[in-house]
Amino acid sequence: DGGITQSPKYLFRKEGQNVTLSCEQNLNHDAMYWYRQDPGQGLRLIYYSQIVNDFQKGDIAEGYSVSREKKESFPLTVTSAQKNPTAFYLCASTRDAARDNSPLHFGNGTRLTVT
Amino acid sequence: GDSVTQMEGPVTLSEEAFLTINCTYTATGYPSLFWYVQYPGEGLQLLLKATKADDKGSNKGFEATYRKETTSFHLEKGSVQVSDSAVYFCALSDQGAQKLVFGQGTRLTINP
Repeated sequence: DGGITQSPKYLFRKEGQNVTLSCEQNLNHDAMYWYRQDPGQGLRLIYYSQIVNDFQKGDIAEGYSVSREKKESFPLTVTSAQKNPTAFYLCASTRDAARDNSPLHFGNGTRLTVT
Repeated sequence: GDSVTQMEGPVTLSEEAFLTINCTYTATGYPSLFWYVQYPGEGLQLLLKATKADDKGSNKGFEATYRKETTSFHLEKGSVQVSDSAVYFCALSDQGAQKLVFGQGTRLTINP
């Protein structure tokens, strides 16, 4: 079955360390996204990529970085510059980012805890 | 800018009760509207969508009608089950998927 795989499910890091979250999809989707989810809030867009080797900042990109070297993969690095990194991170993809009615497919998320 | 407002939760109902979760939106264009559901410990799944005024989206017994005159997309289900316990997100998109705007989510708990 096609889908999006995020790993690991839980991640613990010490403050000051960079950490990379994995996202892989086998849906053959062109566009991929990273969202952050905090308790009681909606999802906020961190970065998105519409094609390989290209990505754009979302609403809360500060302290994060991404790469898109392969169509299937869109890893997110949470750097030590991110002031409040503890959150639930969701990766998503869609076939046609230009269409309003193109739904997102989500992975099961990675819960990052930084102490 | 575009925005989505959902009724505040948490919402707690008994099994077989009628469910309504209110959602209203503000948009400059003619957006597509979505309901996503998030079960505990998982990512979001698309529940239903509507792409133009008066369209009704439906799935798994849930329904929502795109009401342009009231800028609303309320989620309804006639008889809820314990398995419907989840967080429900209303969302809109009027400039492509990268401009998807989410509401804050409504946590629903169904008691047997």
